[in-house]
Amino acid sequence: DAKTTQPPSMDCAEGRAANLPCNHSTISGNEYVYWYRQIHSQGPQYIIHGLKNNETNEMASLIITEDRKSSTLILPHATLRDTAVYYCIVGPSSGSARQLTFGSGTQLTVLP
Amino acid sequence: NAGVTQTPKFQVLKTGQSMTLQCAQDMNHEYMSWYRQDPGMGLRLIHYSVGAGITDQGEVPNGYNVSRSTTEDFPLRLLSAAPSQTSVYFCASSRGAPPGYTDTQYFGPGTRLTVL
Repeated sequence: DAKTTQPPSMDCAEGRAANLPCNHSTISGNEYVYWYRQIHSQGPQYIIHGLKNNETNEMASLIITEDRKSSTLILPHATLRDTAVYYCIVGPSSGSARQLTFGSGTQLTVLP
Repeated sequence: NAGVTQTPKFQVLKTGQSMTLQCAQDMNHEYMSWYRQDPGMGLRLIHYSVGAGITDQGEVPNGYNVSRSTTEDFPLRLLSAAPSQTSVYFCASSRGAPPGYTDTQYFGPGTRLTVL
């Protein structure tokens, strides 16, 4: 599976958009990009995933560059409850997310 | 639906003791996995199962056993606890998907294990 690189920490002001970058330069053509987050002491929570098109759901937007070597997770209006570790993961091409490899992630702190 | 449940929430063991961490899901998911998370680190896959009666090793399987006799349950057994197994353990499940599709994992609340 391809590896990902994320900044270890970021701050964001409450109410502003949080843009979390991820580099996955070795991604293969049929691997997906997944984003999960982990609020302190809780189990990880799925946010969004995509293959090559931009995706949006009720939680966030995912922007994947045309060459698929990097992506950005956007939380449009960050709240204090969005403070968490955010994991960018490149998933297996077999079709199931059961073997995702979690790295160290980005600690996002939303400031009041 | 309760989702993914784990018991116990906290456990303290002495070196050499054995125990079983319980995991259950009520979503009829095919796939279940066990991860461990050490302080300040990401999750590492211990074992996983693609269905009842089928299990396989993940990244860090040594010292752990699993079995999957039913779709709902996926217990993790520590055979002889060691201080290096002090960690937070998460169980996860996913529906499974045919090739070309993908799905997402649902995680339990975790079991915090300390081995003295």
